[in-house]
Amino acid sequence: AQSVTQLDSQVPVFEEAPVELRCNYSSSVSVYLFWYVQYPNQGLQLLLKYLSGSTLVKGINGFEAEFNKSQTSFHLRKPSVHISDTAEYFCAVSEWDNDMRFGAGTRLTVKP
Amino acid sequence: SAVISQKPSRDICQRGTSLTIQCQVDSQVTMMFWYRQQPGQSLTLIATANQGSEATYESGFVIDKFPISRPNLTFSTLTVSNMSPEDSSIYLCSVNPRLAGGNEQFFGPGTRLTVL
Repeated sequence: AQSVTQLDSQVPVFEEAPVELRCNYSSSVSVYLFWYVQYPNQGLQLLLKYLSGSTLVKGINGFEAEFNKSQTSFHLRKPSVHISDTAEYFCAVSEWDNDMRFGAGTRLTVKP
Repeated sequence: SAVISQKPSRDICQRGTSLTIQCQVDSQVTMMFWYRQQPGQSLTLIATANQGSEATYESGFVIDKFPISRPNLTFSTLTVSNMSPEDSSIYLCSVNPRLAGGNEQFFGPGTRLTVL
């Protein structure tokens, strides 16, 4: 079965700095990969997804992620963060026709 | 996409009671899921509730504690039975509408449950 590891539980950064949130997955078959964001006291919102094709995926709010099959990674990046990006970020993996498995989450805190 | 609503949005309940959470989707979907998010934790899948079949529970979750109904393609309920403070969590439903070329899930806003 698939699984996800988010390597950093907390990432503090200053406003306008770049950020990378790391995600590694394991699976024996081809997978779909996702990043979700959860703002305080809200549900989950899809940031971006990788299904196939180009390994660089662009999402909402200026985020992008790169699928690296050899390293089984799907790291999330943003070149310049804003205070409003402060939230919990979840990496998730899904095999075709299977349910979705989530990482433990990374709390991104953007400081002024 | 799919728009999902949940009721109630939050509740405070007494130990030993039960609470039924409703999930309504604005379109017909076969695959629906229930998750639990304990304070400061990630999402843990409770069960998959596909219309037309019995719910499938993940390890650590049983039907007697978390009975699920799925009467049609737009609605589901999750009951948290005989509650204890350890059941205090956010409960989320999600759907996979099987969009062309995708396998993403859409989530409801969650039900924040506090058990005293």
